Amino acid sequence: GENVEQHPSTLSVQEGDSAVIKCTYSDSASNYFPWYKQELGKRPQLIIDIRSNVGEKKDQRIAVTLNKTAKHFSLHITETQPEDSAVYFCAASNAGGTSYGKLTFGQGTILTVHP
Amino acid sequence: NAGVTQTPKFQVLKTGQSMTLQCAQDMNHEYMSWYRQDPGMGLRLIHYSVGAGITDQGEVPNGYNVSRSTTEDFPLRLLSAAPSQTSVYFCASNRQGTGELFFGEGSRLTVL
Repeated sequence: GENVEQHPSTLSVQEGDSAVIKCTYSDSASNYFPWYKQELGKRPQLIIDIRSNVGEKKDQRIAVTLNKTAKHFSLHITETQPEDSAVYFCAASNAGGTSYGKLTFGQGTILTVHP
Repeated sequence: NAGVTQTPKFQVLKTGQSMTLQCAQDMNHEYMSWYRQDPGMGLRLIHYSVGAGITDQGEVPNGYNVSRSTTEDFPLRLLSAAPSQTSVYFCASNRQGTGELFFGEGSRLTVL
């Protein structure tokens, strides 16, 4: 089955700096890669996703890049703010955009943004 | 529109007891799934369903049963609780043709 590795496990940055979280996946058939943000004690929420026919996607301060050849994808957050502090999870699915609810998640990255 | 509703939010069980975690969604989503979240391990898929009457196993299905008799409900049953099932459980739903999972608030289960 699919295996998703996520690094780093913790990331500490100063407000205004950029943050990068990286994930690698093992199944070459994976074609849908979402990122979820989970604030302390809350439910995970989708912040951005990318499909395998796209190399990069941006949404304001957040961007995701995908390298299918190397089987890795990354989350980039620019101009970080204290409210960006949370746990971030990458995930992968081989069911295209539908995912059927079947996602393989990475281990998570605890991002702390210091004012 | 309540989204995905899970009950109970907290539960303490003794080893060997059984219980059911309830999950309901009011978004008419075709797909529903159950994940467990453990520290340092992300979320792992337990079972999922692509429609009423159709369920399948995920990554960590042992010790859990599910059924989907209606589009709205997807209960998760622990048959004989074990300490290894101490975790936070999330139910999720998504619409056919879209990838975004909508999660419930989670259920924290402790097995003594």
